[in-house]
Amino acid sequence: QLQLQESGPGLVKPSETLSLTCSVSGGSISRSTSYWGWIRQPPGKGLEWVGTIYYTGGTYYNPSLKSRVTISIDMSKNLFSLKLKSVISADTALYHCVRLEDQWPGAAFDRWGPGTLVTVSS
Amino acid sequence: QSVLTQPPSVSAAPGQKVTISCSGSLSNIGDTYVSWYQLFPGTAPKLLIYENYKRPSGIPDRFSGSKSGTSATLDITGLLAGDEAIYHCATWDSGVGSVLFGGGTRLAVL
Repeated sequence: QLQLQESGPGLVKPSETLSLTCSVSGGSISRSTSYWGWIRQPPGKGLEWVGTIYYTGGTYYNPSLKSRVTISIDMSKNLFSLKLKSVISADTALYHCVRLEDQWPGAAFDRWGPGTLVTVSS
Repeated sequence: QSVLTQPPSVSAAPGQKVTISCSGSLSNIGDTYVSWYQLFPGTAPKLLIYENYKRPSGIPDRFSGSKSGTSATLDITGLLAGDEAIYHCATWDSGVGSVLFGGGTRLAVL
């Protein structure tokens, strides 16, 4: 059973860089039909797509975050990572790593990590 | 304010049927597939419907999806108390080049 698990600091200061890692177990991150990504949910608000990466390194980002986001992949460790620079309070959210199978672009994220809460505060 | 419009809340009695709508435009729902998610507080969202009407393994057939033009709907029949959750639609928007989520609909089983 494929499982995803987020890890990283729960508190980031304004203007600094948020860094999260998603460890994938029970399956290979280099599976040709899988895309990997991040979705966040600010407290009391809806879901927001952050970005997606394919194992070849191809990336797709939310246009509203594109200037600040970098998603990378490490096939040797079977994980992928998120960096969001110059964070502000509006970046406070529960961050989920996710998988999408078979079709990109698309919105059918079939596996989710439990999420990790990141608070932006001094 | 989401580009995909959902009613903030819906309600129905146990055993009844409820319909949740998701309204978009030609560049998103009108152009590609719609997915639906179920969210409970404190847990990861669950994919209920993909490619407009398909159910992942393990999702009961009480949940069904459809799409017509620039709108999509999620139907839930035989409502259970455990269906109380927030439901989001999602799709790709070719105009802005982004995955979009609806604002979410809170289902109350009265």
